[in-house]
Amino acid sequence: DGGITQSPKYLFRKEGQNVTLSCEQNLNHDAMYWYRQDPGQGLRLIYYSQIVNDFQKGDIAEGYSVSREKKESFPLTVTSAQKNPTAFYLCASSPGTRSGNTIFFGEGSWLNVV
Amino acid sequence: SQQGEEDPQALSIQEGENATMNCSYKTSINNLQWYRQNSGRGLVHLILIRSNEREKHSGRLRVTLDTSKKSSSLLITASRAADTASYFCATEPYNTNAGKSTFGDGTTLTVKP
Repeated sequence: DGGITQSPKYLFRKEGQNVTLSCEQNLNHDAMYWYRQDPGQGLRLIYYSQIVNDFQKGDIAEGYSVSREKKESFPLTVTSAQKNPTAFYLCASSPGTRSGNTIFFGEGSWLNVV
Repeated sequence: SQQGEEDPQALSIQEGENATMNCSYKTSINNLQWYRQNSGRGLVHLILIRSNEREKHSGRLRVTLDTSKKSSSLLITASRAADTASYFCATEPYNTNAGKSTFGDGTTLTVKP
């Protein structure tokens, strides 16, 4: 099945630890995105990448880092510098960033800092 | 920066009734898209409407766009319990690209059987 796979689905982290969320897509999409969603709220863009080895900060990039070494993969690291990391994280992709492209989403990863 | 705002925040209706939710935005757009999210899941694309379009249909969905009022509405006709979900609008600001799309806070729809 073509799609976007995020792992893990649920993750608990102790304060002060970095954690990496995995995102893999087999849709052959050029663009990939990471969003954060807090309960009852919309999505906020953390980072996006239009092409391999290139990425841009979104609205809330502080405390996060990404890499795009392969077209299929766009992992997100939540660092200890992120003061309030507990949230639902959504990875997404689109064929490109051309106007009107539909964004396809993974099933999300819940991160809970304990 | 968040541009689209959905209204109402929550909507509860009986099965078979129509559900209407609205999205308002602040700046000019290239297009507007509606997405659906079941609880704890990813978003699923429903429909896209471009700035030069006024209305689009897809099955039981009808979307309108009024660029003069900077608003859009999503109508779900003959609702079913399975339509229970949150619905989000995503606006792509004018002269930008899909990477710049922003999402509203959503309308949570509950359809009671």
